Amino acid sequence: GAVVSQHPSWVICKSGTSVKIECRSLDFQATTMFWYRQFPKQSLMLMATSNEGSKATYEQGVEKDKFLINHASLTLSTLTVTSAHPEDSSFYICSVGTGMSNQPQHFGDGTRLSIL
Amino acid sequence: EDQVTQSPEALRLQEGESSSLNCSYTVSGLRGLFWYRQDPGKGPEFLFTLYSAGEEKEKERLKATLTKKESFLHITAPKPEDSATYLCAVRENTDKLIFGTGTRLQVFP
Repeated sequence: GAVVSQHPSWVICKSGTSVKIECRSLDFQATTMFWYRQFPKQSLMLMATSNEGSKATYEQGVEKDKFLINHASLTLSTLTVTSAHPEDSSFYICSVGTGMSNQPQHFGDGTRLSIL
Repeated sequence: EDQVTQSPEALRLQEGESSSLNCSYTVSGLRGLFWYRQDPGKGPEFLFTLYSAGEEKEKERLKATLTKKESFLHITAPKPEDSATYLCAVRENTDKLIFGTGTRLQVFP
């Protein structure tokens, strides 16, 4: 399956700061990547689908102006949390889709974001 | 509304004590049911994909089965290293994955 690298692993920053998270597909050219958010003891909730060379598709209730997604190449998608506040503190995880319906998504190791 | 429900929320087993985890789902147009393992502070690790009722997959001490309404993850003679959260997810027509809340498994020596 696809090998997915996510960076940074964790970040602590002050309220109002913008934070960028990178998701790289190391061995697969991914036209589609997914961004999830996971709160403690809760499940993964899809935030948006990142499409290479086009705009991301956001899930209902996710502010596209707050969570900026860029997928400029087949191996890199970035999620920028703009003007982060304590309620944005969460575990953010990306995954790579192969585009084939019979293949699973493969996930990065996540980014723990803590906003003070 | 599409939904995935996992039970139990938490499970404590003695090493060697076999058990099963349940994943019940309601989804229009199932295009696959996936089991993942998630360790604390890590992303989900893929275990199995199931597509049709009656299908079974095995890997070491784990066996996944599927019916039209639910899937089971059977753990035979578990070891402490099997301790993790096990997540079930279904893929619907839009290719999105809908995750359950997971079962936190602890296996004690």
